[in-house]
Amino acid sequence: DGGITQSPKYLFRKEGQNVTLSCEQNLNHDAMYWYRQDPGQGLRLIYYSQIVNDFQKGDIAEGYSVSREKKESFPLTVTSAQKNPTAFYLCASSFDRWGNQPQHFGDGTRLSIL
Amino acid sequence: GIQVEQSPPDLILQEGANSTLRCNFSDSVNNLQWFHQNPWGQLINLFYIPSGTKQNGRLSATTVATERYSLLYISSSQTTDSGVYFCAVERGQNFVFGPGTRLSVLP
Repeated sequence: DGGITQSPKYLFRKEGQNVTLSCEQNLNHDAMYWYRQDPGQGLRLIYYSQIVNDFQKGDIAEGYSVSREKKESFPLTVTSAQKNPTAFYLCASSFDRWGNQPQHFGDGTRLSIL
Repeated sequence: GIQVEQSPPDLILQEGANSTLRCNFSDSVNNLQWFHQNPWGQLINLFYIPSGTKQNGRLSATTVATERYSLLYISSSQTTDSGVYFCAVERGQNFVFGPGTRLSVLP
């Protein structure tokens, strides 16, 4: 079945550590996105990528980094520079740039600080 | 940047009741989607509806782009409809989600 797979479902990080969240899609979608959701809040865009080897900052990119070496994969690294990383992280993809096709989401990764 | 408002923020219904959720946006948009986030955090596409009206079972949506609003109708609500409903709009380089409407359907 085609879809978006995020792993792990739960992740715990110690202070000062970098962690990487995985997002893989087999939908042959060009565009991929990372969002952050805090409790009781809506989603905020961290980074997006419209094509392999290209990505753009969203509204809250500070303290995060991404790569897009393959069409299927868009990993997100939460660096130690992100001062409040505890949140629910959602990855999405769309067939092309978001304006023309709907976005589809993975099941998310919950990140907590120990 | 573009502002997205949703109303009401919270809604409690008895099973079988109908409801209307509203999304207002402050500028013209290229795209609008409605999503349902279930209690486990999964975000499900409901409608891709930059304009016009669409229906899918008990749910329907209408977007009036010229007046900058969209409505989501839920008829004969069920307990499985509980969760948070988000609208999201895209314009140029901006991708903006509304704050959501939290719906609780009681048995």
